Amino acid sequence: EVHLVESGGGLVQPGRSLRLSCTASGFTFGVYAMTWVRQAPGKGLEWVGFIRHKAYGGTTEYAASVRGRFTISRDDSKSIAYLQMNSLKTEDTAVYYCTREWGGDTDYWGQGTLVTVSS
Amino acid sequence: QLVLTQSPSASASLGASVKLTCTLSSGHSSYAIAWHQQQPEKGPRYLMTLNTDGSHRKGDGIPDRFSVSSSGAERYLTISSLHSEDEADYYCQTWGTDIRVFGGGTKLTVL
Repeated sequence: EVHLVESGGGLVQPGRSLRLSCTASGFTFGVYAMTWVRQAPGKGLEWVGFIRHKAYGGTTEYAASVRGRFTISRDDSKSIAYLQMNSLKTEDTAVYYCTREWGGDTDYWGQGTLVTVSS
Repeated sequence: QLVLTQSPSASASLGASVKLTCTLSSGHSSYAIAWHQQQPEKGPRYLMTLNTDGSHRKGDGIPDRFSVSSSGAERYLTISSLHSEDEADYYCQTWGTDIRVFGGGTKLTVL
C-alpha cells in the first residue's frame, strides 16, 4: 500500500527557513516524480514544484511564487523527498502536501503538514 | 498560459447525479485532466484521470459512480447516485512539461 507521510511543519518567523520531508513507502520511490502542493487556509490547491526521477535527471521545476526561495530534492536510498523553504513569507502559510506522480498525473497524496509563518 | 476554470459551487440532491465541469484555456484543449476530491477537514484524494486518448484510470477504491468525459476544451466529472459523503471540494488538475496546474475547485453540496 502506498503511503506518503509529510513532516517538519511548524511555526516559523518571516525570513527564516524550514525543511519539510516526505517519507514514502509501498512503491519503488526512485521511478516516480514527486510533487509538493500547498493549500493556504480556506483556499484552493496550489502547485509548488516537483522533482523528476533520476532517469530524467532528477531535475526540478517550481511555481513562480516560490522560485528562487524553495528547493526540492530527493534521497532515493531513503525514499524521501524534501522541500527546503528559505526566506519564508507570511503568504507561505499553508498545509503542504507531497504527492506521487507519473508523467504529471498525481495519484497519491500525503496527509499534509502545516507551516505557519508568523512573527 | 495553461489555466483551468471551474465553477465555484454546485449542488444536487441525495441519490441524484451531478456533472462538474473543468475548462481548459485556449490552445490547451487536448490536455489530460486528473480529478481530486477533498472532503471537509481532510486532505485531497485522487479520483481519476482522463487521458488525451480518451482512456481513463481510477484511484484505489474509487466507486463506479464516478466517471469522466470530455467535449472540446471541457472536461467533466460525473457523480451518480450521490451519497452524503460526496459533499466535498473537487479539483481538476493538468500538467505540461514543466508545470502543474490546479483549477480553483468546485464545492459540491449534497442536498
